[in-house]
Amino acid sequence: AQSVTQLDSQVPVFEEAPVELRCNYSSSVSVYLFWYVQYPNQGLQLLLKYLSGSTLVKGINGFEAEFNKSQTSFHLRKPSVHISDTAEYFCAVLNILTGGGNKLTFGTGTQLKVEL
Amino acid sequence: GAVVSQHPSWVICKSGTSVKIECRSLDFQATTMFWYRQFPKQSLMLMATSNEGSKATYEQGVEKDKFLINHASLTLSTLTVTSAHPEDSSFYICSAFGGINPYNEQFFGPGTRLTVL
Repeated sequence: AQSVTQLDSQVPVFEEAPVELRCNYSSSVSVYLFWYVQYPNQGLQLLLKYLSGSTLVKGINGFEAEFNKSQTSFHLRKPSVHISDTAEYFCAVLNILTGGGNKLTFGTGTQLKVEL
Repeated sequence: GAVVSQHPSWVICKSGTSVKIECRSLDFQATTMFWYRQFPKQSLMLMATSNEGSKATYEQGVEKDKFLINHASLTLSTLTVTSAHPEDSSFYICSAFGGINPYNEQFFGPGTRLTVL
């Protein structure tokens, strides 16, 4: 099964600064990647996803990610963060099961802390 | 996006009791629902996948007799933690998936925090 790795457990950044959260995926022929955000004591909200097509994917809240096949990466970026972006961010890969169905496999998460 | 609710949002119970958590898709029919468990400051771990009208498929290492999952309708799945113990304390999150396209989005519920005393 495919997997994703998030190398940074915490990323502190000042408000209005740019940020990049890193995600690398295991090599595969076809890969479907997602970024989710989780605010404290809440479920997950989809930020963006890559299924095919353009390698630059734009999502909600001003986030974008670039699918890079040569580096097997799908890093999440935002040019200027706000205090409200403080949350846990999860990268995930969709595994299509041979018997039908699918399941998401999540990375370990990156805590983004935006400071004044 | 579609809305998925969970009830209760927070539950505290005594060791040895059973707790039922409901997951509902409010505005779409969920052919598949997933149950995840999340320990503090950790990632989501898939526990089981349930398809409406059939038995749930459990991930390796998850005790199916302890975590009973029922998906009786296209809008409701329940997770029952039987004979709960303190080590079962965790954040339980469900997600729902509709249709047959495997690339359709999973919609997540807000989670249920279970504390077993």
